[in-house]
Amino acid sequence: GAGVSQSPSNKVTEKGKDVELRCDPISGHTALYWYRQSLGQGLEFLIYFQGNSAPDKSGLPSDRFSAERTGGSVSTLTIQRTQQEDSAVYLCASSFPESLHEQFFGPGTRLTVL
Amino acid sequence: KQEVTQIPAALSVPEGENLVLNCSFTDSAIYNLQWFRQDPGKGLTSLLLIQSSQREQTSGRLNASLDKSSGRSTLYIAASQPGDSATYLCAGRFSGGYNKLIFGAGTRLAVHP
Repeated sequence: GAGVSQSPSNKVTEKGKDVELRCDPISGHTALYWYRQSLGQGLEFLIYFQGNSAPDKSGLPSDRFSAERTGGSVSTLTIQRTQQEDSAVYLCASSFPESLHEQFFGPGTRLTVL
Repeated sequence: KQEVTQIPAALSVPEGENLVLNCSFTDSAIYNLQWFRQDPGKGLTSLLLIQSSQREQTSGRLNASLDKSSGRSTLYIAASQPGDSATYLCAGRFSGGYNKLIFGAGTRLAVHP
């Protein structure tokens, strides 16, 4: 079946603009995660959604970052008033609790803030 | 603070060698550990997931072990091939932070013909 998909694959924006990144999880996966991979920082957790529960937002670096998940499927990560330090690859993953939450990742969105 | 460390940061070996990648973690209350492969400019591919109750997990030429008491996991790659060249990442899910994976910085592997 189809894996996790993300769009766009690349995004170049100017400092101060807002951006939206999209994630389509594997069908049937109830859990969805966003991570950020930046040079020198490695992979860091941003936010977690599980079913209809309140999301775990503990990894969001500032209030400029937000995410939503509509209908328990597609998720959008929004970064407002982008800064150069937001430049990174944003990775989405999904999992199924009954499979021990083994996470499957999408190809990522490479964000460059000029 | 939960931390995951990978050693070495980079490794270059000739084709055919058996090799071991190391991963250590500071919190013994680990729920499970995943090994991933990342090719340049790509996302992560899950290789193996090993539960805290398991000691080993095998898939083809790959074998992962987990020792909770010493806070270590190893990924063994048998008969390495140039196609194995990639960055290998380990990530732990811990009881205190169940909702996320904590990643090591990765080992960049180059297998040359």
